[in-house]
Amino acid sequence: EIVLTQSPGTLSLSPGEGATLSCRASQSVSSSYLAWYQQKPGQAPRLLIYDASSRATGIPDRFSGSGSGTDFNLSISRLEPEDFAVYYCQQYGSSPYTFGQGTRLEIK
Amino acid sequence: EVQVVESGGGLVKPGGSLRLSCAASGFTFSYAWMSWVRQAPGKGPEWVGRIKSKGDGGTADYAAPVKDRFTISRDDSKNTLYLQMNSLKTEDTAVYYCTTYRSGWYWGQGTLVTVSS
Repeated sequence: EIVLTQSPGTLSLSPGEGATLSCRASQSVSSSYLAWYQQKPGQAPRLLIYDASSRATGIPDRFSGSGSGTDFNLSISRLEPEDFAVYYCQQYGSSPYTFGQGTRLEIK
Repeated sequence: EVQVVESGGGLVKPGGSLRLSCAASGFTFSYAWMSWVRQAPGKGPEWVGRIKSKGDGGTADYAAPVKDRFTISRDDSKNTLYLQMNSLKTEDTAVYYCTTYRSGWYWGQGTLVTVSS
C-alpha cells in the first residue's frame, strides 16, 4: 500500500501570499496518477488537480500541480479568502488507492 | 455531463447490513471503473474499494478495514453501482461517496451511514 504523507500539517498565511503544499509517497506513484482536493466544512471534497498537473474544469489558474515519482506539490499563488480550507492528495496509480492525511491552510 | 447519485444511507445497528446504490449518467457506465470513498466525521477521505469494468475483468478490490465485510457490484443494464455492507461496526459511520475517473475524478454528493445502537 502506498502511504501518502502531506506537509505541513497546518500552514498559516495571509491573503495575497503564495502557498506550496507537499505530498510525499512511500513508493513511486504510477503514471503520476495523483490528485489534489480542497474541502471546506460540510462540503464534499472538490477536485482541483488530477494526473499530478492537470487542472480540473473551472479551477482558477492560480492553482497548479507538479511532481512525479514520490514527490508532488500543489501551489497556490495569490491566496484568496476562499482558498483557506483543508487540502488532500490522493494516489490512484495502484490499488488500494490512498489519501494523504491533509494540510489545513488557515488565515494568519 | 457526468453525474453519480448515491442513495440508501441511514441508521443501522452494529452487526447489521445496508446496501448503497449509485446511479450513473452522462458517460458509458459499462466501460467505467467505479469506486467508493467514505469520510467519517472529522476525518479525511478513505478509499473503500473499486470495481473494474467487465471488459477489464469485473473484479473488485477493497481496503483492509472493509475486506470480507463489504461487497461492490455493478449492474451495467441499469447504470448502477452497489455497495453491500455487512457486519457493520460503529467505525463504519461515514458519508459514503461514489466516484469515477473520466479525465478527472467525479464524486456524488454522498449518503450518510450511521452505525449506532
